[in-house]
Amino acid sequence: DGGITQSPKYLFRKEGQNVTLSCEQNLNHDAMYWYRQDPGQGLRLIYYSQIVNDFQKGDIAEGYSVSREKKESFPLTVTSAQKNPTAFYLCASGTGSDYGYTFGSGTRLTVV
Amino acid sequence: AQSVTQLDSQVPVFEEAPVELRCNYSSSVSVYLFWYVQYPNQGLQLLLKYLSGSTLVESINGFEAEFNKSQTSFHLRKPSVHISDTAEYFCAVTTRGAQKLVFGQGTRLTINP
Repeated sequence: DGGITQSPKYLFRKEGQNVTLSCEQNLNHDAMYWYRQDPGQGLRLIYYSQIVNDFQKGDIAEGYSVSREKKESFPLTVTSAQKNPTAFYLCASGTGSDYGYTFGSGTRLTVV
Repeated sequence: AQSVTQLDSQVPVFEEAPVELRCNYSSSVSVYLFWYVQYPNQGLQLLLKYLSGSTLVESINGFEAEFNKSQTSFHLRKPSVHISDTAEYFCAVTTRGAQKLVFGQGTRLTINP
């Protein structure tokens, strides 16, 4: 079955450590997106990529980094520079925003 | 630039009652509109979308939304809700050729027995 997979589902890290969240899709979608979700704040765009080896900052890119070396993969690194990293992170992919996105099931990151 | 406003952050209703979740958008060009549903601790699932044609669009589980260009709205309705409809609902807008969707803040629908 085609879909988008985020792993792990839950992640715990100590403050000051970098952590990488995985996002893989087998839908042959060109575009991929990372969102952060906090209670009462909806979805906020972190980074997005329209094509391999290219990506753009979203609204809250500070403290995050991404790479897009393969069409299927768009990992997100939460760096120690991110002041409040505890959140629910959602990855999505699409053929173009005209048709909407397919979302992964999310990774809940807790930094202690 | 586009924007989306979901007018209610929370909507409590009784089971089998009708519900309307409100969504207004702002755009200077023609838009595409979407409703997504998010169940607890899960990702978002596409509920329905308006791209063109009939202004009334329906989902397979009884929800419908009507595109109203003059009122710049895309409200989501269901005539009779079930406990299983408890979730958060997000409205989103984009335009042709745009690189990303713009999401509203979400509306939490709570169904009471």
